Amino acid sequence: SQQGEEDPQALSIQEGENATMNCSYKTSINNLQWYRQNSGRGLVHLILIRSNEREKHSGRLRVTLDTSKKSSSLLITASRAADTASYFCATDIDDGLTFGKGTHLIIQP
Amino acid sequence: DTAVSQTPKYLVTQMGNDKSIKCEQNLGHDTMYWYKQDSKKFLKIMFSYNNKELIINETVPNRFSPKSPDKAHLNLHINSLELGDSAVYFCASSQGDGSYTFGSGTRLTVV
Repeated sequence: SQQGEEDPQALSIQEGENATMNCSYKTSINNLQWYRQNSGRGLVHLILIRSNEREKHSGRLRVTLDTSKKSSSLLITASRAADTASYFCATDIDDGLTFGKGTHLIIQP
Repeated sequence: DTAVSQTPKYLVTQMGNDKSIKCEQNLGHDTMYWYKQDSKKFLKIMFSYNNKELIINETVPNRFSPKSPDKAHLNLHINSLELGDSAVYFCASSQGDGSYTFGSGTRLTVV
């Protein structure tokens, strides 16, 4: 079964707005990662947050992790049309990544 | 240079055929993986392999077999292809520090 569950499944916002995606998982993890996948393309690693970290920033990305609630959020600020993609959270336990179902983000120009 | 490369990028084949997808990484990573992404974009791990151990996701049919001629390569061989095998297959590698590098994927279509 999927370890992570993202919500929403789909999100459509106007360019310039902020986009927030959430991820919940079930078991203890070593770290949690977020990936982007443009349509028909491969997976691009965005950010990794370790289990002992609570927040991490990378450019316009902000990731939070709440291990007590087994949840994470990805915030993309000042969204751009090029941010249109599917975003996946993935938990790293010991034997590879387990992915969530993804959030499809559409940025309207 | 591409860190994790897969070939072919696209593969169209008939049911019942046997095919292989190749994966090579030049990162010196110890562990390699195969993932399957289905038509609903669900990504599932199929195998993880390092020079000591092969771990197989129990849901993977035994028609799928990874073959590793050396540490830098993990090829995926599929016997008796079925329509349901149509998907995008991603190879990845990791050094065990939490960072993973993915290949660009192989889109397999079984007709």
